Amino acid sequence: SAVISQKPSRDICQRGTSLTIQCQVDSQVTMMFWYRQQPGQSLTLIATANQGSEATYESGFVIDKFPISRPNLTFSTLTVSNMSPEDSSIYLCSVEGEAGSYGYTFGSGTRLTVV
Amino acid sequence: KQEVTQIPAALSVPEGENLVLNCSFTDSAIYNLQWFRQDPGKGLTSLLLIQSSQREQTSGRLNASLDKSSGRSTLYIAASQPGDSATYLCAVRDNNDMRFGAGTRLTVKP
Repeated sequence: SAVISQKPSRDICQRGTSLTIQCQVDSQVTMMFWYRQQPGQSLTLIATANQGSEATYESGFVIDKFPISRPNLTFSTLTVSNMSPEDSSIYLCSVEGEAGSYGYTFGSGTRLTVV
Repeated sequence: KQEVTQIPAALSVPEGENLVLNCSFTDSAIYNLQWFRQDPGKGLTSLLLIQSSQREQTSGRLNASLDKSSGRSTLYIAASQPGDSATYLCAVRDNNDMRFGAGTRLTVKP
């Protein structure tokens, strides 16, 4: 299965600033997924990032708040913009396994605290 | 819309016990079901992946079963150890996307 390097692992940010999270995959993948996990909650899909096209956002998430880049088949970034304390969460990137498997692999997560 | 439920929400057991975690889902038209482990503040580590055509998968002390028709899966952990303490998440992949349960927080006491 793919190996994903995600960074930063954690950060403490000031209200109103932005943070960019990076995910690097050790193989080429068509789709990358970005999730949010709020404290004590399960994972919620933010968006799906395809190389060469705009990301597809889930209901409740907008591009202005969570801009995503996907410059190639091994890399993606998620930016959390104009942060507020409500954005304090763990953010995770993920990729899906090859056809026939479809198991998901996750990055190590970014633990964000907004003060 | 697929809904995934995990019971119990939290479980505390003494070291050495065998235990079962439960996962149920509402729509049986799934591709697969995956069990993950999550340590506090960390990402998800895949434990077992069961394809829709399979009934169970085993890895070491872990055994996961799948009953698609009844919308249930169980994760069996044998001879639990303090290092097994973590949150266990099940996730269902269907035609739309992957849906996660809220997890079971497991504590194994020495």
